[in-house]
Amino acid sequence: KNQVEQSPQSLIILEGKNCTLQCNYTVSPFSNLRWYKQDTGRGPVSLTIMTFSENTKSNGRYTATLDADTKQSSLHITASQLSDSASYICVVIPYNNNDMRFGAGTRLTVKP
Amino acid sequence: ETGVTQTPRHLVMGMTNKKSLKCEQHLGHNAMYWYKQSAKKPLELMFVYSLEERVENNSVPSRFSPECPNSSHLFLHLHTLQPEDSALYLCASSQDMVRGGGYEQYFGPGTRLTVT
Repeated sequence: KNQVEQSPQSLIILEGKNCTLQCNYTVSPFSNLRWYKQDTGRGPVSLTIMTFSENTKSNGRYTATLDADTKQSSLHITASQLSDSASYICVVIPYNNNDMRFGAGTRLTVKP
Repeated sequence: ETGVTQTPRHLVMGMTNKKSLKCEQHLGHNAMYWYKQSAKKPLELMFVYSLEERVENNSVPSRFSPECPNSSHLFLHLHTLQPEDSALYLCASSQDMVRGGGYEQYFGPGTRLTVT
């Protein structure tokens, strides 16, 4: 079983709507948690990086939250745009280890 | 542009062919990585190089052979691949190794490999 589980696997929303993507992890202890955006045919691009002591981090319309007690993170996208259509990947980095643990991603489609 | 380039972007090869993937980073980073991304599966770390020395090999079959001639270039040599090796191969770099986090990884656009 993967140590980083993302849900939903895929999501379709209308332009302008908000959405929230979930990430549950079992990696412990961990150093930081990252969210990446991967456009089709491109490599992942970092959206947010949170250390284990942070609860929230924003990057424009993207806001990531972290609850280290429940080992959950979420990525909230506000006022979605067509360009938000992509895969969103949650990555957890163990403490004192360089073996990044990747989730399988959530495929988001924003329709006009 | 992330500063990490990969060539070719697409590659179709037979199981008996030998080919190479190339990655170049223009960011002055010391660490470079190869990842495999299969459909609907998490990225799999294949190899890590730090200052041109291989520091990780995650049980990758010997039909994949990495080479890092200098800190800016990374190659992945392919031979006698199997159809299940078809995937997106991503290269990434970071200032130093991401041990315990802290260093951002910058990814290239990937090479879409199809083995027939």
